[in-house]
Amino acid sequence: TQLLEQSPQFLSIQEGENLTVYCNSSSVFSSLQWYRQEPGEGPVLLVTVVTGGEVKKLKRLTFQFGDARKDSSLHITAAQPGDTGLYLCAGIKTLGNTGKLIFGQGTTLQVKP
Amino acid sequence: KAGVTQTPRYLIKTRGQQVTLSCSPISGHRSVSWYQQTPGQGLQFLFEYFSETQRNKGNFPGRFSGRQFSNSRSEMNVSTLELGDSALYLCASSSHGSEYEQYFGPGTRLTVT
Repeated sequence: TQLLEQSPQFLSIQEGENLTVYCNSSSVFSSLQWYRQEPGEGPVLLVTVVTGGEVKKLKRLTFQFGDARKDSSLHITAAQPGDTGLYLCAGIKTLGNTGKLIFGQGTTLQVKP
Repeated sequence: KAGVTQTPRYLIKTRGQQVTLSCSPISGHRSVSWYQQTPGQGLQFLFEYFSETQRNKGNFPGRFSGRQFSNSRSEMNVSTLELGDSALYLCASSSHGSEYEQYFGPGTRLTVT
């Protein structure tokens, strides 16, 4: 059972287009993260959102955490070829004083010049 | 600061063999987590070590084990390899108090034939 569902799984767009990736769950998370992974490398943390309804911006990337802390979205404005990669959302479930990251399946984004 | 390093980067083993993978965290980071990444299941949490103690464990069979040394370096071992163990194994380190700000290594690509 996948606790975090990402959609779409694959996205191929032209440079300059906008796109939104969704990360949904029926579970509540204490916080949620987005990572980008390029071929041959490990994921790189882009952002952590903690508060329900929170919106964070990172240049052309906008991240939103749902009010109920069960879902999140990543919006990219004017996509560039350098944005190509695998985008992963990860929910954090705390267990006492520790916790673990639960990852979505990922969205593969290809931006064509 | 040097990033997380993993050795070896690529490994080919046959069914029934065992394998040991190594991870050196960022200097000063005491928490090390291991993940398995496959196209079908995505990124799945294996276990986390902090100060030489396993602090958290995912849902993997006992064939998967790990340990952490006093210098925070970590190893994971997989015994009696199965074809389904073919995957990218990622290690991530984090500092105490920022356990969810994880820095990933490039991974070890394990192929079981």
